[in-house]
Order: sequence, then structure tokens, then C-alpha cells
Amino acid sequence: AQTVTQSQPEMSVQEAETVTLSCTYDTSENNYYLFWYKQPPSRQMILVIRQEAYKQQNATENRFSVNFQKAAKSFSLKISDSQLGDTAMYFCAFMKPGAGSYQLTFGKGTKLSVIP
Amino acid sequence: DTAVSQTPKYLVTQMGNDKSIKCEQNLGHDTMYWYKQDSKKFLKIMFSYNNKELIINETVPNRFSPKSPDKAHLNLHINSLELGDSAVYFCASSRWGDTQYFGPGTRLTVL
Repeated sequence: AQTVTQSQPEMSVQEAETVTLSCTYDTSENNYYLFWYKQPPSRQMILVIRQEAYKQQNATENRFSVNFQKAAKSFSLKISDSQLGDTAMYFCAFMKPGAGSYQLTFGKGTKLSVIP
Repeated sequence: DTAVSQTPKYLVTQMGNDKSIKCEQNLGHDTMYWYKQDSKKFLKIMFSYNNKELIINETVPNRFSPKSPDKAHLNLHINSLELGDSAVYFCASSRWGDTQYFGPGTRLTVL
């Protein structure tokens, strides 16, 4: 079974600074997808970024970028120019293509606080 | 223009009751899911449903049953509610094998 580990239960960052959230995963698969989802206090789960394992290039979405190290099974999220609206729980998730199912396996989350 | 919607957003009920949570998506997706988020914020898959094929997480009690009247809807029915069922339940949808988009969640409180 796949496991996803987020080793930082809580983090804080000053507004306008950069912060990196860590995620490691364990799988024997070669083809899979990785995601970061954000859950602000409103409870909504919002997709931040997606990475396909077959792509060597790291995904970026505006201020959000990932450092995907396939051999190390590491998938960290970097948030640049942090904004107050970035305050949220961040979940790393793994999805393995498989017969009959594409279920997400989530890490336990990192609570990020952006300090004015 | 809500993509994935759930009703109700909050549900408070007594132990032993039966309740349903509705989910609808207008994204044209062919796969829908139910996830449970516990009090420690941990998210776990309960069901996935694609083209009438149901994949059940083996840890889900059979008091929980998904019902899909059509591709745009996947409702969650819960029988004989227990205190431990209190959680936030999320519906999600996707094209088969693609990114999943979540509904706003339903906070269920069992008294």
C-alpha cells in the first residue's frame, strides 16, 4: 500500500517570504501522480498543483512550485511571496493508476500560518 | 456555476438515525468519490464509483452505502448512525484517471 508522509505538522512564515512544505511517499509504482491540495478555514479542498511522475520538469502554478525528486520519493511544495490567504492546511496526495480505481492517498497535512 | 456541490453543509442528528448526504457535479466527469475527514483532519477514501462500478474501501462499515441515480450524482446513505461517524464528508469527481475536484464538505455531528 502507498503511504504519504508530511513530517511538519505546523509551519509559519512571514508575509512576502518563501516557505517549503515537505512530503515523502512510498511506492513501488513507476507511473503515478502527486498533488498538493489546500484546505483553508472555509473547509473547501482546493487543488494547488499536480505532478505526473513521468515528467522530469517540476510543475509550477504562479507562486506555487514543486521540487519533485522521483528517486528520493520526495515532493515538496514551495510557496513564494506568501500571502495571508495562503493560511491553510496543505495536504500532499498520491494517486496510482490501477485497475478499477484512482483513489487519492493523503498525508496528514501541514498547517501553514502566514504572519502579517 | 458550482462544480461539485453537496447538501447539506451541516447535519446534526441523533445516534441510531438514518441520514443521506447528496452530491452533484456539473463538470461532466464520469467518476465520483466519497472521502471522510476525521477530527484530526486525516482524509481517507470511502468509495469510488465509475460507470456503475463501485469500489469500496474495505474499512468502511456496511452501514454506509453510496447510491448513484446518474453520472452526475453520488449520494451517501448512512444507516444507524454512531458517535464515531461524526466527521466531515467530502464528495469529489474526476474524469477517469484525472485530477479530482472536491465539494465543500458536509460536517456530520452525531449526538
